[in-house]
Amino acid sequence: GAVVSQHPSRVICKSGTSVKIECRSLDFQATTMFWYRQFPKQSLMLMATSNEGSKATYEQGVEKDKFLINHASLTLSTLTVTSAHPEDSSFYICSARTGVLAFFGQGTRLTVV
Amino acid sequence: TQLLEQSPQFLSIQEGENLTVYCNSSSVFSSLQWYRQEPGEGPVLLVTVVTGGEVKKLKRLTFQFGDARKDSSLHITAAQPGDTGLYLCAPHMEYGNKLVFGAGTILRVKS
Repeated sequence: GAVVSQHPSRVICKSGTSVKIECRSLDFQATTMFWYRQFPKQSLMLMATSNEGSKATYEQGVEKDKFLINHASLTLSTLTVTSAHPEDSSFYICSARTGVLAFFGQGTRLTVV
Repeated sequence: TQLLEQSPQFLSIQEGENLTVYCNSSSVFSSLQWYRQEPGEGPVLLVTVVTGGEVKKLKRLTFQFGDARKDSSLHITAAQPGDTGLYLCAPHMEYGNKLVFGAGTILRVKS
């Protein structure tokens, strides 16, 4: 089956620093990638939809200057959490679309101290 | 406002019991997908239901799509501790080109 690799799986950073999370589709080309944030015992909340070669579309309430998304190729999208603060600590998950199906990365546990 | 309502929100049962999770909406969908997520991992696609009234079986899991294609259910027979996880439904991505999820159902199966 299709594989989506997300890296890193865990990251701890200091408050005020930036963290980049990578999402790669390993065996297919993804025209669209989605980024989600998930709090404990809750569902996935869509942050933004990223199409290759164009600007990401952010959901209401998501700061685009804080959560920078780059979808430079059909197999790679990155999410950069800029000037991270403890409230940004969360589980971030990416998803890559192929046709009508979407496959998910393993998620990234971000802890800001 | 969630596009899809899932119920129950939490479910804790004993091993061997049966359970049903519901996914409801006021909108009509061309298809609907069910996912299962274990803690600390990404969701995994279980099934896609397409036709109104369709029933799909995946071992002990039975998925049904409502006749009007507005709702779906997931029934688990003889639940096992390995079924523990977060179950999510999501409509076909034609809808606004987004993949959005219902609120999810947290299932815990105790041995």
